[in-house]
Amino acid sequence: QVQLVESGGGLVQPGRSLRLSCTASGFTFSSSEMYWFRQAPGKGLEWVSVISHDGDRKFYADSVKGRFSISRDNSKNTLFLQLNTLKTDDAAVYYCAAPPPGERFYFANWGPGTRVTVSS
Amino acid sequence: QSALTQPASVSGSPGQSITISCTGTSSDVGAFNLVSWYQQHPGRAPKLIVFEDNKRPSGVSFRFSGSKSGNTASLTISGLQAEDEADYHCCSYGGSSTFRFGGGTKLTVL
Repeated sequence: QVQLVESGGGLVQPGRSLRLSCTASGFTFSSSEMYWFRQAPGKGLEWVSVISHDGDRKFYADSVKGRFSISRDNSKNTLFLQLNTLKTDDAAVYYCAAPPPGERFYFANWGPGTRVTVSS
Repeated sequence: QSALTQPASVSGSPGQSITISCTGTSSDVGAFNLVSWYQQHPGRAPKLIVFEDNKRPSGVSFRFSGSKSGNTASLTISGLQAEDEADYHCCSYGGSSTFRFGGGTKLTVL
């Protein structure tokens, strides 16, 4: 059974940094692309970033490019998202997600999310 | 990376059918057969209900169906039930490893 669990959210001041983690189990993590999404309060979902199975390729939404960094540790089945120079607009619930094994472009497995609040 | 366009809300009575539209462009919805739909109950993570425009994952009710015409995708829910009341989000691949979502549609079952 696939399980994804995010952690690392919390209250942070504008301009500061935060590191989110997503621990995976129940599937071959090292073979899977991994994704981060976010959802601001009362808003729709937003794709944030994707990383290839081996960590060599990384892509970002324009809204976070240059400020956020995605990475992974396949030895620990863990995905990361480094959030730098945070803005109030970055406040959201952040979800990690994975496509089904061998698939791409849709997301069958989601974590429960971790909330990031950006406020002075 | 513009968002896709969904109606903010739709409603229907139990047993009726409703359709939620999702309008994009020839660079996303119209370019690929890669629209997916997600159901989200309050405080919960999204749940995949349609992928690749019109395919249903195992375990998802046949009452949920997806379709597409040109740059507009649609989700139809037939035989509305109380538990269908939720937010629905469409997502399309946008090329170059990017993805676009709609703003979400709140479904109210009257």
